[in-house]
Amino acid sequence: DAMVIQNPRYQVTQFGKPVTLSCSQTLNHNVMYWYQQKSSQAPKLLFHYYDKDFNNEADTPDNFQSRRPNTSFCFLDIRSPGLGDAAMYLCATSTLRFGETGEQFFGPGTRLTVL
Amino acid sequence: DAKTTQPTSMDCAEGRAANLPCNHSTISGNEYVYWYRQIHSQGPQYIIHGLKNNETNEMASLIITEDRKSSTLILPHATLRDTAVYYCIVRGDGSGGYQKVTFGIGTKLQVIP
Repeated sequence: DAMVIQNPRYQVTQFGKPVTLSCSQTLNHNVMYWYQQKSSQAPKLLFHYYDKDFNNEADTPDNFQSRRPNTSFCFLDIRSPGLGDAAMYLCATSTLRFGETGEQFFGPGTRLTVL
Repeated sequence: DAKTTQPTSMDCAEGRAANLPCNHSTISGNEYVYWYRQIHSQGPQYIIHGLKNNETNEMASLIITEDRKSSTLILPHATLRDTAVYYCIVRGDGSGGYQKVTFGIGTKLQVIP
């Protein structure tokens, strides 16, 4: 089945140690998103790619970076994780093809713990 | 994108209809109403969306008022698996081509046996 896959599902890192979260999709969607969701809060958009065009949200810290080497893969890099970066990180995709519902398809998320 | 207001939480008896309201009084003419839900520890899941007319699919029905300032998501026969946080989102279609979605707090629906 076409889907959005996130690896790993659980990631533990140390304070200040760089970490990379990955997302892949088999939907061939041209838009990919990264959200941060802290406990009991709504998902918050960090940035998104429209094809290779990167779009950062104004309040996304510089500590967060992203790469999209091809249509299928997108990575979230946290350069120096702090305790406040512990959260669920959600990847999503969507397409602009005519006739599509415009919905976003979400992966299961990666839960990041910072020690 | 227009802002939405939803009740923080709701209870519904299993087997009964769950009616989840959403207020979007500042919605503009080209903005759609989308509903997603998020079951605990999972990613959000699309449910339904609409512009003006009422919509129905295999998961739910969406009733939009004539002035489009509010809407109601209806789960016709709620089950325990419908316990989740439900997000009502208003989004301009193709705005800049990026279909950006801004989640509010949502409504935590608890289906009770």
